[in-house]
Amino acid sequence: DIQMTQSPSSLSASVGDRVTITCRASQDISNCLAWFQQKPGKAPKSLIYAASSLQSGVPSKFSGSGSGTDFTLTISSLQPEDFATYYCQQYNSYPLTFGGGTKVEIK
Amino acid sequence: EVQLVESGGDLVQPGRSLRLSCTASGFTFGDYAMSWFRQAPGKGLEWVGFIRSKTYGGTTEYAASVKGRFTISRDDSKSIAYLQMDSLRTEDTAMYYCTKLTGNPYYFDSWGQGTLVTVSS
Repeated sequence: DIQMTQSPSSLSASVGDRVTITCRASQDISNCLAWFQQKPGKAPKSLIYAASSLQSGVPSKFSGSGSGTDFTLTISSLQPEDFATYYCQQYNSYPLTFGGGTKVEIK
Repeated sequence: EVQLVESGGDLVQPGRSLRLSCTASGFTFGDYAMSWFRQAPGKGLEWVGFIRSKTYGGTTEYAASVKGRFTISRDDSKSIAYLQMDSLRTEDTAMYYCTKLTGNPYYFDSWGQGTLVTVSS
C-alpha cells in the first residue's frame, strides 16, 4: 500500500497568512493526488485533483503543486472560512490512501 | 447540481448486517463509478471500496479491511448505490460517505453528507 505522510499535523495561522501543507507519498504516484477540506461535523469537500487542478467552484486562493512523491497545498491568504482539516489522497493505485490530515487553527 | 444522500445508518450489534444506500441526483448516475468512504469518530478518512459503471463492467474494488465482508452494488434505474455490510465489527463504527468518481484514473468530485453506523453490543 502507498503511505501518504502529511506535515505538519497541525498549524496555527492568522487571517491573511499564506499557508503551505506538504504531502509525501511512499512511492511515485505521478500526479494522481487530490486535496480535501473538512470542517467539524461536515463531509469532506474536494478542492484539487491531478495535483494542481481546482475542482469546479473552488476559489483560486487554493493551489496545488508537485508530482512523483512530493506535493504541496497552498492557501494564499487565509480567511476565517478556511480553518479546517485538510487531507491529501493518492489515487494512483489501490487501495486508495489518505494522509493523516493537517488541522489549520486560528492563531 | 449533484446531490448524494446516504441513508441506512443505525446502531447494530457485532456480527450483524446492515445495508446503506446512496441516492444520487443531478447527473446521469449510470455513467459514473461510485465509491464509499468512512471516518471513525475523531479519526481520518478511510477508503472502503468502489463500483465501476456498467460500461466498465460494474466491477468492484475493496479495501483489505472490508474485503469479503462488505459488498458494493448499484441500481442504475433508481440512481442508488448500496453498501451491504456483513459480519460487522466494533471497528466498523464510523460515518460512511458515498462519493461520485470521475476522470481516468478515478478521482472524487462530490460527497454526500454521510450516515452514521455504530457497531456495539
